[in-house]
Amino acid sequence: AQTVTQSQPEMSVQEAETVTLSCTYDTSENNYYLFWYKQPPSRQMILVIRQEAYKQQNATENRFSVNFQKAAKSFSLKISDSQLGDTAMYFCAFPGSGGSNYKLTFGKGTLLTVNP
Amino acid sequence: DTGVSQNPRHKITKRGQNVTFRCDPISEHNRLYWYRQTLGQGPEFLTYFQNEAQLEKSRLLSDRFSAERPKGSFSTLEIQRTEQGDSAMYLCASSTLAGGPRSEQYFGPGTRLTVT
Repeated sequence: AQTVTQSQPEMSVQEAETVTLSCTYDTSENNYYLFWYKQPPSRQMILVIRQEAYKQQNATENRFSVNFQKAAKSFSLKISDSQLGDTAMYFCAFPGSGGSNYKLTFGKGTLLTVNP
Repeated sequence: DTGVSQNPRHKITKRGQNVTFRCDPISEHNRLYWYRQTLGQGPEFLTYFQNEAQLEKSRLLSDRFSAERPKGSFSTLEIQRTEQGDSAMYLCASSTLAGGPRSEQYFGPGTRLTVT
């Protein structure tokens, strides 16, 4: 079974600073996708960034970037120039394999608080 | 289109009662998912529809749970004889069929169920 581990239950950062959230996963697949989703307080979950495992280049979306280490099965999210609106739960997610590649397995999440 | 909607947003029920939740996905999305999220955990996959066909049910989904998606449009999730352990946030998501495992899942705001 595939597993996703987020070892940081909570983190905090000062506004405008950089923070990195960690995620490790386990899979026997060679080609797959990884996602970071954000769940703001009392609001719905939205996709932050996705990474394709066969691409060596780390994905970047504005202030969000990933550090994808395939051999280490590590997929961390870096948020630069943190803003108050970045305060949320962040989930690392990983689709199932083969015919079950539609369902996501989520980590337990990291609660990020951005302080003014 | 305003995204994925779920009703009701909150439901309080007494143990043993039946409850039904509704999800309206983004109109052109073929795929619809139900997840359950308990406090301090990431969402857990419950079931998946492709158009009107229910293609997978998690072992988490006991016989008391049933889901439908008539005509491949909205979906309902019914829980019969509710138990206190059913208290959770029930999330619905939808996505397109194209793109396979890289497809972004769009989440609704969830229905929070409290069983007293």
